Amino acid sequence: QKEVEQDPGPLSVPEGAIVSLNCTYSNSAFQYFMWYRQYSRKGPELLMYTYSSGNKEDGRFTAQVDKSSKYISLFIRDSQPSDSATYLCAMSLTDSWGKLQFGAGTQVVVTP
Amino acid sequence: SQTIHQWPATLVQPVGSPLSLECTVEGTSNPNLYWYRQAAGRGLQLLFYSVGIGQISSEVPQNLSASRPQDRQFILSSKKLLLSDSGFYLCAWSVGGRSSYNEQFFGPGTRLTVL
Repeated sequence: QKEVEQDPGPLSVPEGAIVSLNCTYSNSAFQYFMWYRQYSRKGPELLMYTYSSGNKEDGRFTAQVDKSSKYISLFIRDSQPSDSATYLCAMSLTDSWGKLQFGAGTQVVVTP
Repeated sequence: SQTIHQWPATLVQPVGSPLSLECTVEGTSNPNLYWYRQAAGRGLQLLFYSVGIGQISSEVPQNLSASRPQDRQFILSSKKLLLSDSGFYLCAWSVGGRSSYNEQFFGPGTRLTVL
C-alpha cells in the first residue's frame, strides 16, 4: 500500500465549476500537508500549505485536512482554463529534513 | 532572490551509457537539496537528499548516485543507464535544517529518455 493515495484522473470540468481533489494517507504521523500545481513539462510549484488539521483559504483555493480520517482535500472555485494542470498532494513529518511524500497527482482539465 | 537551475533540459541516451545531471541554486546558503524522479502518470519519487556538502542520503536502492561537491551544487549520476531510468528528473531545494516545514522550490526538470 502506498503511503499517499491520489486518483490520477483526468478530471474534466467546465469553466466556472468547482474542482474537488483529494488524497488519503496511511501514516498518522504526517503533520504538514501541501498541494503543488504542475503545468506540463514544468517543475511543481507550491499552491497551499496546511499544518495539522483544519481549513485554509487563499483566494479561489481552499485546503482541508482531516487527520482523524487521514484525508486531505483541495477545492478550486470558479475554475478557469488556466487552472488546467496536474495537482499533487504532498505531506511530511516533523524533523524530517524537509522530505516530502507525494501522491501520484491528479490531472485537471478545465474546458472553456 | 533565489533561483534553481537544471541542465540539460532534455536528454536521450543509449542503454549502458553514463549519466550526469547538474543542479545549481543561487541566492541562498546551505540549502537542503533533493533529487526526484517522476515517471509518467506517477508522483514524485524522492531519490536522494543532501543537508550539506558531501552529505548524501539515498531513499531507494537504484542504479543512480548523487554528489554534492559544493554548497549549492547537486549532481545526479549513473555509470550505466537502464531503460527503467527514463523519466522526468527534478531537483529541488529548501531552507536548510531538520525541524519544521520549509517549502521546496523545484527546478525546471530534465526529461531523460533511455533507448
